[in-house]
Amino acid sequence: AQSVAQPEDQVNVAEGNPLTVKCTYSVSGNPYLFWYVQYPNRGLQFLLKYITGDNLVKGSYGFEAEFNKSQTSFHLKKPSALVSDSALYFCAVRPPNSNYQLIWGAGTKLIIKP
Amino acid sequence: DTGVSQNPRHKITKRGQNVTFRCDPISEHNRLYWYRQTLGQGPEFLTYFQNEAQLEKSRLLSDRFSAERPKGSFSTLEIQRTEQGDSAMYLCASSLAQGAEAFFGQGTRLTVV
Repeated sequence: AQSVAQPEDQVNVAEGNPLTVKCTYSVSGNPYLFWYVQYPNRGLQFLLKYITGDNLVKGSYGFEAEFNKSQTSFHLKKPSALVSDSALYFCAVRPPNSNYQLIWGAGTKLIIKP
Repeated sequence: DTGVSQNPRHKITKRGQNVTFRCDPISEHNRLYWYRQTLGQGPEFLTYFQNEAQLEKSRLLSDRFSAERPKGSFSTLEIQRTEQGDSAMYLCASSLAQGAEAFFGQGTRLTVV
């Protein structure tokens, strides 16, 4: 079965330190990969995506993600965390043979402490 | 504001009542999606429209749920005879093409009492 795993329910990082939120997937072929962020009582906001090309993708708010095909991973990173980055982060994958389907991870709560 | 708009933002209803939610997607987006999200979980796919055609409907969706997009623009999601288990955030999203990211509205939070 196709799936997306975010192995950490919560990640705690001190402000100014680098952060990583992990995502691995089990989808055949070459899927499209996405990261979204959700603030409390808000909808999901698109951060970045990987379709093809350079394995390092840059997105909104200084975030970037690294695609690793051999490890089927798409980890979200930021060199220096801000308190305002505290939110719920979701990884999502669109299988290559689908026009609509997004397979979602369960989400990782990111807490940035001052 | 040219983002995805959902109304109402909150809805409290008694069990057994019908509710209808509206989604106005980004105007040039031909693809529209409905999702359901419960606390601490990722979104669950409900249904998908390409223009006015409903191309996919999740098996999670019982016969009490129906969605329309009559003119290929706005969409409505109706839940008939609501149950407490229907309490969730209902999210609408739209996108332009297959590889494009989906843009989400702020959601409609449904509480069935």
